[in-house]
Amino acid sequence: QKEVEQDPGPLSVPEGAIVSLNCTYSNSAFQYFMWYRQYSRKGPELLMYTYSSGNKEDGRFTAQVDKSSKYISLFIRDSQPSDSATYLCAMNPPDSNYQLIWGAGTKLIIKP
Amino acid sequence: EAQVTQNPRYLITVTGKKLTVTCSQNMNHEYMSWYRQDPGLGLRQIYYSMNVEVTDKGDVPEGYKVSRKEKRNFPLILESPSPNQTSLYFCASSILAGKSHNEQFFGPGTRLTVL
Repeated sequence: QKEVEQDPGPLSVPEGAIVSLNCTYSNSAFQYFMWYRQYSRKGPELLMYTYSSGNKEDGRFTAQVDKSSKYISLFIRDSQPSDSATYLCAMNPPDSNYQLIWGAGTKLIIKP
Repeated sequence: EAQVTQNPRYLITVTGKKLTVTCSQNMNHEYMSWYRQDPGLGLRQIYYSMNVEVTDKGDVPEGYKVSRKEKRNFPLILESPSPNQTSLYFCASSILAGKSHNEQFFGPGTRLTVL
């Protein structure tokens, strides 16, 4: 079993829809949870991060962590075609603040 | 502009022909890392370095070498490439200080095909 599981998709939704992207993880000691966005032919870029449990909002994006269920989510409101990308979740192992454990990435397609 | 650069961006080679992919960052980051990205497998770490002359194996180091002679450069060397090393490669860097997560900054990627 992988430490971090993420459905690779693709996930195709119409413009304006609310998108939910998810990852599950097995190590309850993970503390920092990140979402990276990767456009086609580009390197990943950090979109949001959260520490421990709770929600964090940034414009149309909300990151949510449920440590009891070992489940993290990224919600995108009012989705736009420009949101079409691959979204990767990543987590810090407890003994490191620089190594990351990555999900496989979910490809998201927003249809105009 | 703060950035991580990689060269070449695209490379087609043949089995056994040694190659080097260069990586350079201008952010004075201590930490640098190489990943390969394959469909369905996500990012897998090949090697990383926490400082000059300090390198460590990641999850998939077989068939690769790295060096860190200068802080800004972290080349990836394939001494004898094989077709199973056909992949998309990313270099990344970050700072090491602090207790928070440290954002990793990625290069644009190098698409390697080994025939």
